[in-house]
Amino acid sequence: ETGVTQTPRHLVMGMTNKKSLKCEQHLGHNAMYWYKQSAKKPLELMFVYNFKEQTENNSVPSRFSPECPNSSHLFLHLHTLQPEDSALYLCASSQAVQDYGYTFGSGTRLTVV
Amino acid sequence: QKEVEQNSGPLSVPEGAIASLNCTYSDRGSQSFFWYRQYSGKSPELIMFIYSNGDKEDGRFTAQLNKASQYVSLLIRDSQPSDSATYLCAVNNNDMRFGAGTRLTVKP
Repeated sequence: ETGVTQTPRHLVMGMTNKKSLKCEQHLGHNAMYWYKQSAKKPLELMFVYNFKEQTENNSVPSRFSPECPNSSHLFLHLHTLQPEDSALYLCASSQAVQDYGYTFGSGTRLTVV
Repeated sequence: QKEVEQNSGPLSVPEGAIASLNCTYSDRGSQSFFWYRQYSGKSPELIMFIYSNGDKEDGRFTAQLNKASQYVSLLIRDSQPSDSATYLCAVNNNDMRFGAGTRLTVKP
């Protein structure tokens, strides 16, 4: 496989559930990101990992918990979410944090019921 | 004030025309600028980047940057129906900040 792969593509979960989103990049990039995309809003940066170290947490509620075990894998653990958390969650990677464009995964469409 | 601002559109142009997409940003220290294309139901795809003032051309696409005016634009020449998508402007200064996007429709 090439590029950035996200699983699952679609996820429906109840507010009391715990689930995890997975992202894997096969590009040899050093930085990985989680973004949230809601309808008609700009992409919202959630977390940044550079060489598997978290460098930014953009005031994200604690019900979202990231994990980066190595430079190729990124997880987003979800628990006790709210209906307003329903959105498209996009993972991206880049060669470095600055000055490089991002390669995005296909995203996980999350619905919280 | 929004960090990266774009006209949401929709912008409609006839096939073969030039589509002009505009973006302004608030962080004067921003160093790199990007345009992404996002088809409906798909993820954003990088199409252009520019670092220096002036124009940068790649095929039918031209990115224009004016740091003094904090303005970046994307021109699409000979627009095709396949160019119909939402175009996201992004500005990088330690992390990538996106505009909400401009929806472009190219009519045959």
